[in-house]
Amino acid sequence: DAGVTQSPTHLIKTRGQQVTLRCSPKSGHDTVSWYQQALGQGPQFIFQYYEEEERQRGNFPDRFSGHQFPNYSSELNVNALLLGDSALYLCASSSPGEGDTQYFGPGTRLTVL
Amino acid sequence: EDQVTQSPEALRLQEGESSSLNCSYTVSGLRGLFWYRQDPGKGPEFLFTLYSAGEEKEKERLKATLTKKESFLHITAPKPEDSATYLCASRGGGGTSYGKLTFGQGTILTVHP
Repeated sequence: DAGVTQSPTHLIKTRGQQVTLRCSPKSGHDTVSWYQQALGQGPQFIFQYYEEEERQRGNFPDRFSGHQFPNYSSELNVNALLLGDSALYLCASSSPGEGDTQYFGPGTRLTVL
Repeated sequence: EDQVTQSPEALRLQEGESSSLNCSYTVSGLRGLFWYRQDPGKGPEFLFTLYSAGEEKEKERLKATLTKKESFLHITAPKPEDSATYLCASRGGGGTSYGKLTFGQGTILTVHP
């Protein structure tokens, strides 16, 4: 049984560009959450998707947007990249049937030059 | 606003030297206190969920406990393979807290042979 998968593994972009990160949830999970983790810090909540809608959002600007597809997979889009957006982006999936425990993927390392 | 603080920031142990990691939390209507393990460059790996004060859970050399204000992760007779960053996270009961995990900054554990 595959766990949470994310692509790509690494990504290098320049300031001002746009990026799309992808996530496939664990089998049977219907909720996807995205987190940003700067080096040496704990993950920071970006937003959560359920039934193809953004259910909750953290303190991130509108440059960060997302989407959830009917198969529960999700995308995170970041526009007008800044140097400060360099981080590990983590996707987590969950399901009410498993107590809403969030299981994380391996992450996408984004570097903005 | 939910807050989670972990201490110490870093902990060095000799193999077999037991110790504890601390997680202090402030959250409205706790709906779960989570512990994760994170290896360098990887996503967090789920360890435990605790829901109410007095609850304890164990897995191999790890035991997590919960009070109304703190959680502890006790490591008994650690081995070098227990070296990792341990993250604590809370989930609140409603409003803007629902669904999202609020993480501490983590404790970096190093176990020397």
